[in-house]
Amino acid sequence: EVQLLESGGGLVQPGGSLRLSCAASGFMFSSYAMSWVRQAPGKGLEWVSVITGNGGSTYYEDSVKGRFTISRDNSKNTLYLQMNSLRAEDTAVYHCAKALYCSITSCPRAFDYWGQGTLVTVSS
Amino acid sequence: QSALTQPASVSGSPGQSITISCTGTSSDVGSYNLVSWYQQHPGKAPKLMIYEVTKRPSGVSNRFSGSKSGNTASLTISGLQAEDEADYYCCSYAGTSTYVFGTGTKVTVL
Repeated sequence: EVQLLESGGGLVQPGGSLRLSCAASGFMFSSYAMSWVRQAPGKGLEWVSVITGNGGSTYYEDSVKGRFTISRDNSKNTLYLQMNSLRAEDTAVYHCAKALYCSITSCPRAFDYWGQGTLVTVSS
Repeated sequence: QSALTQPASVSGSPGQSITISCTGTSSDVGSYNLVSWYQQHPGKAPKLMIYEVTKRPSGVSNRFSGSKSGNTASLTISGLQAEDEADYYCCSYAGTSTYVFGTGTKVTVL
């Protein structure tokens, strides 16, 4: 059974930093791209970042570029999101999500398993 | 990248069919057959319902179907059931390994 468990959220002041973790189990972690998707309180889903299975390539939504860094440790089956220079508008539940398998011939670009999320609150 | 546009709410009676639209641009929905749909019940994680515009993951009811025309994708729920009451989000691949979600639609079963 696929499981994704986020941790590391909390209250942080504007300008501060936080590192989120997502512990994965039930699948061959290194074979799948992983993403972070956030949801501000009472709002919709917003894609944040994605990392390839081997960690070699990373991509970001424009508003977090230069502030957030996605990474993974395939030996620990864990995904990370380092968040620096946090702003009030970064307040949200952050979900990690597993991408569908992407091969040379087919790359569905969708997320089939999601964690429950961890709440990040940026406030003074 | 602007969010894809969805109606804020759609409602229907049990047994009826409803359709949720998802309008993007020629840079996202219009350029790729890579639209997915997610169902989210309150306080729960999103669940993948449709991917690659029309494909259903194993275990998803065939009452859910997807389509696309130009820059607009659609999700149709047929035989509406009480358990279908939830928020629904579309998502499109937008090139260079980036993604854009829709604004979300609250489905109410009357």
